[in-house]
Amino acid sequence: KQEVTQIPAALSVPEGENLVLNCSFTDSAIYNLQWFRQDPGKGLTSLLLIQSSQREQTSGRLNASLDKSSGRSTLYIAASQPGDSATYLCAVRRDAGNMLTFGGGTRLMVKP
Amino acid sequence: KAGVTQTPRYLIKTRGQQVTLSCSPISGHRSVSWYQQTPGQGLQFLFEYFSETQRNKGNFPGRFSGRQFSNSRSEMNVSTLELGDSALYLCASSSGSQGWYNEQFFGPGTRLTVL
Repeated sequence: KQEVTQIPAALSVPEGENLVLNCSFTDSAIYNLQWFRQDPGKGLTSLLLIQSSQREQTSGRLNASLDKSSGRSTLYIAASQPGDSATYLCAVRRDAGNMLTFGGGTRLMVKP
Repeated sequence: KAGVTQTPRYLIKTRGQQVTLSCSPISGHRSVSWYQQTPGQGLQFLFEYFSETQRNKGNFPGRFSGRQFSNSRSEMNVSTLELGDSALYLCASSSGSQGWYNEQFFGPGTRLTVL
């Protein structure tokens, strides 16, 4: 059974700092990995999708890496802003179906 | 393109009642997945529908059921509600292709409170 873990569970940083969020999964046989952002009481916003054959993906200030063999992914946020404050979730897709297995999330607060 | 829409956004029910939630996927998307989010269990997969057929199912009791219509809209039903069913129910839309590049897009969710 696939298990996804995110560390740390919560993180508070001053504005402008670069930061790294971690995601680990137990079964390396994944199709892809997706990073999401969730604001309080809201739905999920897709940030980045990395295929199992890829090493990294970039979108603006965000960079996600994937090391499938070690079961790890990181989300790098450059020059953090207060608007980045949210919960960040990683999810893995195990096969051709669309079922995602989610981590518990990292709650990020960026202080002005 | 309009995003994923879910109705209603908020619901309050009492134990023993049943409830139906609705999800309209992004235009052209044929796959709809449902997830339950609670503080204790996080996000858990309920089921996925593709072309009106259930393609995947999570580990939830039979009180949770769903269906998909020919226009890809999906409904989820929970019968005999329990207090533990209080949660944010999220719907995800994707093209449904079996290929590896199949990004999923989520709706705003329906907040269900069971009293």
